[in-house]
Amino acid sequence: DAGVIQSPRHEVTEMGQEVTLRCKPISGHNSLFWYRQTMMRGLELLIYFNNNVPIDDSGMPEDRFSAKMPNASFSTLKIQPSEPRDSAVYFCASSWGYRDSQETQYFGPGTRLLVL
Amino acid sequence: GDSVTQMEGPVTLSEEAFLTINCTYTATGYPSLFWYVQYPGEGLQLLLKATKADDKGSNKGFEATYRKETTSFHLEKGSVQVSDSAVYFCALDTGGFKTIFGAGTRLFVKA
Repeated sequence: DAGVIQSPRHEVTEMGQEVTLRCKPISGHNSLFWYRQTMMRGLELLIYFNNNVPIDDSGMPEDRFSAKMPNASFSTLKIQPSEPRDSAVYFCASSWGYRDSQETQYFGPGTRLLVL
Repeated sequence: GDSVTQMEGPVTLSEEAFLTINCTYTATGYPSLFWYVQYPGEGLQLLLKATKADDKGSNKGFEATYRKETTSFHLEKGSVQVSDSAVYFCALDTGGFKTIFGAGTRLFVKA
């Protein structure tokens, strides 16, 4: 079975440009998570969805970041405009569960973003 | 709120040495506990899990026992290999869709 798929795997862009990261969760999973990982801050949860609905976006750093999940098999994380401090590895993860369940998360390979 | 504290790294060991990475947690309710591993250039992947007190999770020679009395879930391996070099994350889930991750502990194993 295919795991979580992320694209692109690497992105280099200039400050001020729009960046769109894409994620395809594992088929049948109903929860999707976006994380950011840096050396300074470690792994940070940005936003998560359940059944395509955003549940908690309190980790989104500022209004420049937005995320959507138009259907069960696709999500995007957009940064507009991008800044050098956004440089990081962005991970998408998915799981299956309901409100009280405690489930394993399956991570994609990540997108390495460098903003110059 | 719920939290996970794990020992700071990096941890540097020689091949075949014994490994312990400490993890303690604070949680309301009855969480499931996890260890995830991240190899260089990859995403996190589940290493092992335990869902209730006194459960032992194990995989690839790694073990961890869910200790409710000490709120701990320490990771152990009897004989590490160079290929075990990675970052290890302790995590908990009390339900509500979200997993709480520790800061990660980097392990270097020398040949």
